[in-house]
Order: sequence, then C-alpha cells, then structure tokens
Amino acid sequence: SQKIEQNSEALNIQEGKTATLTCNYTNYSPAYLQWYRQDPGRGPVFLLLIRENEKEKRKERLKVTFDTTLKQSLFHITASQPADSATYLCALNTSGNNRKLIWGLGTSLAVNP
Amino acid sequence: DAGITQSPRHKVTETGTPVTLRCHQTENHRYMYWYRQDPGHGLRLIHYSYGVKDTDKGEVSDGYSVSRSKTEDFLLTLESATSSQTSVYFCAISERGGTSRTSYNEQFFGPGTRLTVL
Repeated sequence: SQKIEQNSEALNIQEGKTATLTCNYTNYSPAYLQWYRQDPGRGPVFLLLIRENEKEKRKERLKVTFDTTLKQSLFHITASQPADSATYLCALNTSGNNRKLIWGLGTSLAVNP
Repeated sequence: DAGITQSPRHKVTETGTPVTLRCHQTENHRYMYWYRQDPGHGLRLIHYSYGVKDTDKGEVSDGYSVSRSKTEDFLLTLESATSSQTSVYFCAISERGGTSRTSYNEQFFGPGTRLTVL
C-alpha cells in the first residue's frame, strides 16, 4: 500500500544545533514534495517545495533534500532557535492525480534554549 | 493566514443535527480544499474544488457534502453530524492544481474550525 512516514518520536535538540527531520514514502512516484510547519491550534504553513529533478533546495536556514532512489526527503534547520519549535509535516502529490496531496503525520520538534 | 477565513471557529453540536462550515478566501485562487485533522491520522482530504461548481471527493468524503457557488466561498456540510465527525477542520487554497508534473500546488491554510459532536 502507499504510505508516507515521518519520525514518529518527538525531536529534542539544543539551540544552535541542526535539526534533521525525515520523510520516507513507499509506492509513490511524486513529482514534488512539500514541507509545512504547524503550530498548536493553527493551520499548516507552507515552507518549501522540492521537485523530483532537484536534489536540494534552500531557504534561509532551511534545507530540503529529495532522493527519489531512496524515496526519502530530509528537512534540515540549521542554527535552530526555540522559535523553530513546532510540528513539521511533509506532503507529496499522488501519482495519477496530482491534485491531491498525501500527508505525513508530522514530527514534533522542540528546540531547547 | 493568506486571506483565508473560516467560520465558525468553534462549534459544539448534537448528533443528528446538520452543520455547515464556511471557508472564505480573498486571494482569488481557483482551488479550494477541506481537510480534517485527527490525532494518529494527520490531515485527510474530505473534498476539494477546482472551480465554481466543480468539486471532487477526497479520501474521507462519506457523510460530507460541499458546494462552491462563488470563487471565494467553499462550504462543507455535515448533513447529520455523528460523533466520529468530531475533529478540527481546515480549509486550504492553492493557485495551481498540481494537475501536471510542473503544476505545483502549494497550499495555504485557514485557521481551522474545531467541531465537537456530542
């Protein structure tokens, strides 16, 4: 069956360190993969999108990699800050009907001062 | 929240009553989506719209209907609410539909509606 998996356990890191979150998928051939941030009680906020032919994408302190052979995306936050504490969701389009996104359950990140 | 509002923000209702949630956007985006978010299930698509009067089902559409008579409004109706429909409901919009491998549909979400069915 098709599925998308993110680290189920919360990630706790020290301020200033790099946080690395993982998104793995099976039985998909997505054209692109997206990362969102969600704070408690709020809707997800779009962060980055990476296309199938891109290996890496950067935006300020954020970096996303996409390995279609491993079927994996890594999301990095460098020089992490307590304000980066949130849940991070990955989403990818389904092959055959790109209109629908399939979402991971998210990884909770806590950055400790 | 990218010009998206949802109403009501909170609602408590009883089993068997009809409920309508409203999503309103000021971005003139063509695509609109309704999701529900539950612990252990993440975001699941209920219905989406790809234009005025054009809608399609998502993965958890049973018990829900939608209507879109104007670009800016997308309504989600629970005809007869059940306790299993207690959830947080999010509306999202996108400019593109993701209908091709170069049509990326990054989505922008509203603040959510917390619905409790007793």
